[in-house]
Amino acid sequence: KQEVTQIPAALSVPEGENLVLNCSFTDSAIYNLQWFRQDPGKGLTSLLLIQSSQREQTSGRLNASLDKSSGRSTLYIAASQPGDSATYLCAVSLIKAAGNKLTFGGGTRVLVKP
Amino acid sequence: DVKVTQSSRYLVKRTGEKVFLECVQDMDHENMFWYRQDPGLGLRLIYFSYDVKMKEKGDIPEGYSVSREKKERFSLILESASTNQTSMYLCASSLTGRASGNTIYFGEGSWLTVV
Repeated sequence: KQEVTQIPAALSVPEGENLVLNCSFTDSAIYNLQWFRQDPGKGLTSLLLIQSSQREQTSGRLNASLDKSSGRSTLYIAASQPGDSATYLCAVSLIKAAGNKLTFGGGTRVLVKP
Repeated sequence: DVKVTQSSRYLVKRTGEKVFLECVQDMDHENMFWYRQDPGLGLRLIYFSYDVKMKEKGDIPEGYSVSREKKERFSLILESASTNQTSMYLCASSLTGRASGNTIYFGEGSWLTVV
């Protein structure tokens, strides 16, 4: 059974510092990996999707890397801002799973202090 | 933009009541999902559907059922609500096939309190 772990569970940084969020998964036979942002009391917003054949994806200040063989992904957020404060979740979709269902990590709660 | 709409944001129901949570998506997605999210337990998949009238159990289907009579609508049903079903419920949808990238889109969530 696929397990997804995110460490640390919470992170606090001063504004302007770069953020590094980690995600690990136990089954390397993934179809893709997604990073999401969740604001308190809200749904999830997809930030980046990395296909299993890709090693990284970039969008603005966000960069996500994927190392399938070691079962790891890292989300980098450059020059953090208070508006980046949220919970960040990663999720993987297994190749053999019907309907591309996702398994989520527990999330990392980020606070960017002004 | 893809929109996933959950009709009720906040509900309070009594133990034993039958509860319907409705979800509609407007992008002709094949796949639809129901998750619940609880502190310390993360998101857990209840049921999903990859086509009209098709459904598959997720990780925690007990106490729930679903209905997908039309492609755009996926309903979650609590036959007899219990206090341990107090939670935030999230609906999601996605396309099938590599060309789509399979990005999954979530609704805003439905907060259910069972008293």
